[in-house]
Amino acid sequence: QQPVQSPQAVILREGEDAVINCSSSKALYSVHWYRQKHGEAPVFLMILLKGGEQKGHDKISASFNEKKQQSSLYLTASQLSYSGTYFCGTPVVPGTNDYKLSFGAGTTVTVRA
Amino acid sequence: GAGVSQTPSNKVTEKGKYVELRCDPISGHTALYWYRQSLGQGPEFLIYFQGTGAADDSGLPNDRFFAVRPEGSVSTLKIQRTERGDSAVYLCASSSTGNNSPLHFGNGTRLTVT
Repeated sequence: QQPVQSPQAVILREGEDAVINCSSSKALYSVHWYRQKHGEAPVFLMILLKGGEQKGHDKISASFNEKKQQSSLYLTASQLSYSGTYFCGTPVVPGTNDYKLSFGAGTTVTVRA
Repeated sequence: GAGVSQTPSNKVTEKGKYVELRCDPISGHTALYWYRQSLGQGPEFLIYFQGTGAADDSGLPNDRFFAVRPEGSVSTLKIQRTERGDSAVYLCASSSTGNNSPLHFGNGTRLTVT
C-alpha cells in the first residue's frame, strides 16, 4: 500500500517555506525522499532510518516520526531550483528496511520569483 | 562519472508487438531495479536484481513482462504482446548495495502503445 502525500501541490515565492507530509497506514522503519523535475529522472535527497531522525540536504530537511508513521520534508527559504515533484518512498514490506519501495503520488512544488 | 543510461528514450509500438528496453547501470552497482511510472504517479516497483539473478520479480504485472541481467551489468526489460495499458515511463535504477542505498535513476524510456 503506497504512502499518502499531502499536499498534492504547492506554489511558493522565492524565500518562502513549505512542508510536505508523507503518511503510512503501516509501521515504518525507513522513509526515502526523491525530487523529480519535469522530464527528468528522480534524484535522491535523503533516507531517514530511525524514528525521530532528522536529516538535511542544503536547506531541505526532513523528520521521521515512527510512532505517527509519518515523515515531513521541510523546504526552507525556497529557491527556484527547488521546483519539482517530491516523492516519498517506504518499504513495500511494512516494518522492514526492504529494498523495494512503494512511492507516494508526489507533491508538485512550484517556486516563483 | 556516468549515470544510469536507458535506451531508447522513447518507443512507440503497436498493440500486440514485442519491445525491449535497455538499462546500463552505474559501473560497480550490484543492485538494479526496474520501476514503471504512469502520468501523475510515483514510480511503481517491477523487479529487483542483485548481481545476475532476479532477487524479486513480484512487481511484474503479468507473464508478458520479463527482465534479464545475464552478466550482472546491463539489463533488458522485455514486454510481449504489448497492450495500451502498458504505456508509461519505464525507469531503471541502480544502487551500490541493496537495502537503504540511494537509488540512482535513469531518465527512463517512454513507451507508447498505439
